[in-house]
Amino acid sequence: AQSVTQPDIHITVSEGASLELRCNYSYGATPYLFWYVQSPGQGLQLLLKYFSGDTLVQGIKGFEAEFKRSQSSFNLRKPSVHWSDAAEYFCAVAVPGSNDYKLSFGAGTTVTVRA
Amino acid sequence: NAGVMQNPRHLVRRRGQEARLRCSPMKGHSHVYWYRQLPEEGLKFMVYLQKENIIDESGMPKERFSAEFPKEGPSILRIQQVVRGDSAAYFCASSRPGQGMTEAFFGQGTRLTVV
Repeated sequence: AQSVTQPDIHITVSEGASLELRCNYSYGATPYLFWYVQSPGQGLQLLLKYFSGDTLVQGIKGFEAEFKRSQSSFNLRKPSVHWSDAAEYFCAVAVPGSNDYKLSFGAGTTVTVRA
Repeated sequence: NAGVMQNPRHLVRRRGQEARLRCSPMKGHSHVYWYRQLPEEGLKFMVYLQKENIIDESGMPKERFSAEFPKEGPSILRIQQVVRGDSAAYFCASSRPGQGMTEAFFGQGTRLTVV
C-alpha cells in the first residue's frame, strides 16, 4: 500500500521569505500526487496535482511542486510567502487506475508566517 | 470548494447519541467520497458512494458507521452510539463519473465533538 511522509510537522517562515514543504511517498510506480491547503476551520483546497509529464507543476496562489522520481519526493515551494499562506498543508497520493479515489494523506505541515 | 455543501459545520453529541452528517455534492457530480480527519492526523478514506450504491466502504469502521447516497437528496454519514474517539472532522468530496479524486472537490467539513 502507498504511504506519504511529511517530515516537518511545523514550519515558521517570515513574510516574503521562500517556503519549501517536503513530501516523500512510498509506492512502486509513479502515483498521482497532490498538495492541498487547509486554512483554520476550512475545508481542503487543491493547490496542484501531478499525474505525468513535466515534473515541475504550477499551481494556484503562486505555488509550485517538483516531482523527483529518484527521491520519491514531491516538494512544494513558494518563492515569497504572504501572511495569508499560514495554514496546514497536506501532501496526498493515489494509485492510478480504478482505485484513484482513495487518497493517502500525509499528517500535514503547519505553516506559521511571521511579520 | 463552496460547491460541495456539508452540514452541519459543527455538531456536538453526547456519548451514545447518533450523529448524522450530510453532504450535498456539486451540481453534476454523482460520486461522493467521505474522509475522516482525526486530531493531528491527515485525512483517511472511509467510503465511496454513487447514487444508490456503495462502491467501496473498506475504510469504514465495522460497527456503528453507515453511509448512503439516495437517488434524491444528500449523502448521509451516520454514526450510531457515538464515542469520544469519533470526535473528528468529517469531509466529503464529490466528482463526476470516472474522475475519481483527480477532479474532485472537498466540502468544508463537519466537525463532530463527542462529549
